Amino acid sequence: DQQVKQNSPSLSVQEGRISILNCDYTNSMFDYFLWYKKYPAEGPTFLISISSIKDKNEDGRFTVFLNKSAKHLSLHIVPSQPGDSAVYFCAASARNRDDKIIFGKGTRLHILP
Amino acid sequence: SAVISQKPSRDICQRGTSLTIQCQVDSQVTMMFWYRQQPGQSLTLIATANQGSEATYESGFVIDKFPISRPNLTFSTLTVSNMSPEDSSIYLCSVRQNYNSPLHFGNGTRLTVT
Repeated sequence: DQQVKQNSPSLSVQEGRISILNCDYTNSMFDYFLWYKKYPAEGPTFLISISSIKDKNEDGRFTVFLNKSAKHLSLHIVPSQPGDSAVYFCAASARNRDDKIIFGKGTRLHILP
Repeated sequence: SAVISQKPSRDICQRGTSLTIQCQVDSQVTMMFWYRQQPGQSLTLIATANQGSEATYESGFVIDKFPISRPNLTFSTLTVSNMSPEDSSIYLCSVRQNYNSPLHFGNGTRLTVT
């Protein structure tokens, strides 16, 4: 049973526009959420995180939004750049429980010139 | 964040053999984990590598198949034993300083079993 779901396997966005990657989760105990970026032949790289006490966290071009009632989070990349083409993984953990970080299947983002 | 070096970066192995993957971190870390990413799948936690004691395995993973060592706070190994083609995956070492910090990953070991 997938606790963290990324329902879009891929997404194409024009360079300079906004990229929005979505993630849903089922476990209401999750209270810490993370986004990772992965290039081929490299390990995942941590991008940004958000605690459940917040609904938004911003770091440069990357913003993560959390909607706890909908059990939904999204990553916004503005403006999108060619180097943003990669696979993006959403992840979550329940810090007061077993705290394992659970990952979604990833969304492949293509930035079009 | 810590620099995590994983060896080998890739290997092609025969069915029935074993491969040991090494993970070296440039600083002492509290928590080390081993993940697996099968083709088209998410990253799945295999086990938590505990310093000086037996690893803690997730459901579906057993010590006989994936023995793990962690002799100190900067080094760990994962062995994939008696390999079959189903073990073809990317194996990733990861570290974390505490429960309020993110995981950081090595570059992974791409294993192909023929």
